[in-house]
Amino acid sequence: RKEVEQDPGPFNVPEGATVAFNCTYSNSASQSFFWYRQDCRKEPKLLMSVYSSGNEDGRFTAQLNRASQYISLLIRDSKLSDSATYLCVVNGGGGYNKLIFGAGTRLAVHP
Amino acid sequence: EADIYQTPRYLVIGTGKKITLECSQTMGHDKMYWYQQDPGMELHLIHYSYGVNSTEKGDLSSESTVSRIRTEHFPLTLESARPSHTSQYLCASSELRGETQYFGPGTRLLVL
Repeated sequence: RKEVEQDPGPFNVPEGATVAFNCTYSNSASQSFFWYRQDCRKEPKLLMSVYSSGNEDGRFTAQLNRASQYISLLIRDSKLSDSATYLCVVNGGGGYNKLIFGAGTRLAVHP
Repeated sequence: EADIYQTPRYLVIGTGKKITLECSQTMGHDKMYWYQQDPGMELHLIHYSYGVNSTEKGDLSSESTVSRIRTEHFPLTLESARPSHTSQYLCASSELRGETQYFGPGTRLLVL
């Protein structure tokens, strides 16, 4: 079983739609959680951190459910520019800030 | 934009050749990392460093080696390239106590 699991998609949605991605992680000791965005043939970039209380950044909302060990990302009012792969990332703990990356969920927003 | 650079961006090379992938950052970050990523797959950590003269192997076994003689520089070397080394190699860095990792643009390696 992978340490971080994501639905690979693709999610094909029209502009303006609301779309949600989920991710599950296996290490109950994980303390930090993130969503990264990776455009086609580009490097990953931090989209947002995920806090226990949930957090929002414009059209993006991230939620954490520690009991069920899953993380979600909600995108409202999708734009064409949101088309990318969204990577769920979990800090595996330990002293060297090891990040465990999911394989990503692909989002394609169409006109 | 993160100030982390990788060269070359693309490399096509024959089996058995020695190659060095360069990674440099100007942010003064202590921690640096090398990841390997195949298309549509997750990133796998192959090497990391806490700082100068510190290098450790990551989760994915790799025949590559790294060095950290200067804070800003973290090159990765393959002594004898093989087709199984074909992949994308991503370098990243972070502050000593920070969790956010900043990635370079990557090197796409094709070994024939």
